Amino acid sequence: KAGVTQTPRYLIKTRGQQVTLSCSPISGHRSVSWYQQTPGQGLQFLFEYFSETQRNKGNFPGRFSGRQFSNSRSEMNVSTLELGDSALYLCASSLAPDTSSPLHFGNGTRLTVT
Amino acid sequence: AQTVTQSQPEMSVQEAETVTLSCTYDTSESDYYLFWYKQPPSRQMILVIRQEAYKQQNATENRFSVNFQKAAKSFSLKISDSQLGDAAMYFCAYRSARVGIGSWGKLQFGAGTQVVVTP
Repeated sequence: KAGVTQTPRYLIKTRGQQVTLSCSPISGHRSVSWYQQTPGQGLQFLFEYFSETQRNKGNFPGRFSGRQFSNSRSEMNVSTLELGDSALYLCASSLAPDTSSPLHFGNGTRLTVT
Repeated sequence: AQTVTQSQPEMSVQEAETVTLSCTYDTSESDYYLFWYKQPPSRQMILVIRQEAYKQQNATENRFSVNFQKAAKSFSLKISDSQLGDAAMYFCAYRSARVGIGSWGKLQFGAGTQVVVTP
């Protein structure tokens, strides 16, 4: 069974631009969550989607948004990029949003903002 | 809010030896899940072991075992017979068992411990 797939693996953007990252969950998994990983702040929760609805959101500005499609694939978007948005963005999927389902992570997308 | 603390930025261990990584957490909840994840240079977070707070028995997965002390809010990971492939960043994570908005999908991670394995 294929794992969580994130595309692209690397992105270089300029300050002020916007970016869209994609995540395909493990087949059969319906819950997708996103995390930002930086050397300074560590791993921080962005948001979680289930059945095309955002169920939970972390403490990030409105420039960070996401969505989930009917096939459970998810995208996250960051508008008006800032230098501080440079990070590794990790997507994780689970069978359902119930808390006993373990999260399975992808390889991440490395975003560099110049 | 829950916090997870990993006080060891780096731990070094020789092949075939044992290393223990410490993790403490702060919560007012009685029901929750604790995890250890491994992140090698490939960047993928890999689940190593999981512990349910309502279970007194410590979880074990092959060479990996935990020492879960609920009263002390401590959750250490022991890696036995260390192998070169165990070299990675290890993260301790907390997840509330409370069902509902605000808890779904959210893992609270510690800062991580870099494990270095020497031949």
